[in-house]
Amino acid sequence: NAGVTQTPKFQVLKTGQSMTLQCAQDMNHEYMSWYRQDPGMGLRLIHYSVGAGITDQGEVPNGYNVSRSTTEDFPLRLLSAAPSQTSVYFCASSYSQSSFTGELFFGEGSRLTVL
Amino acid sequence: TQLLEQSPQFLSIQEGENLTVYCNSSSVFSSLQWYRQEPGEGPVLLVTVVTGGEVKKLKRLTFQFGDARKDSSLHITAAQPGDTGLYLCAGNQAGTALIFGKGTTLSVSS
Repeated sequence: NAGVTQTPKFQVLKTGQSMTLQCAQDMNHEYMSWYRQDPGMGLRLIHYSVGAGITDQGEVPNGYNVSRSTTEDFPLRLLSAAPSQTSVYFCASSYSQSSFTGELFFGEGSRLTVL
Repeated sequence: TQLLEQSPQFLSIQEGENLTVYCNSSSVFSSLQWYRQEPGEGPVLLVTVVTGGEVKKLKRLTFQFGDARKDSSLHITAAQPGDTGLYLCAGNQAGTALIFGKGTTLSVSS
């Protein structure tokens, strides 16, 4: 079972560069989300999607774009990387958030360093 | 503003000891979840509590949801080195996405 797959696992960028973190899930989950995890800060929600074609902002959306053209994929784009975006990024999916009790399935994370 | 406050932030204990981790808020939550994360991996769900006063047990782990649905606790009995990890509480409020506390890092030494 693949579950939630994130690529790349590690990436080093220079300030100002752009890149896309890929996330794919094979569980036919409607809900997908992106979190960043920084030391002592827990997980903070960047963007989320409740279905194909629908996205919304989380707590810390600035500097990031998302799109949801298919149920399976939810890429996160960094438009112009900044050192403050150095973090570990997690993609997570859930069958449905409508009941607000759905289990989130996480990928293994993508560690990004911006120099 | 951090809606979910976890305490303690760090906990280092010996094998066999008991411990409790707290997750508190001034807001009411529809449900609360507890996740455990090991280094280099994503969080994995341990339990979901949805009813005020609810108590759930998972082997040596006991989870409680406060009567007013504003707080939760995780109690581990006779901790083992395999319990080492980051414990995260996460809450849903009606109409919003899941938010996480900052986590409690637990280290159990043998």
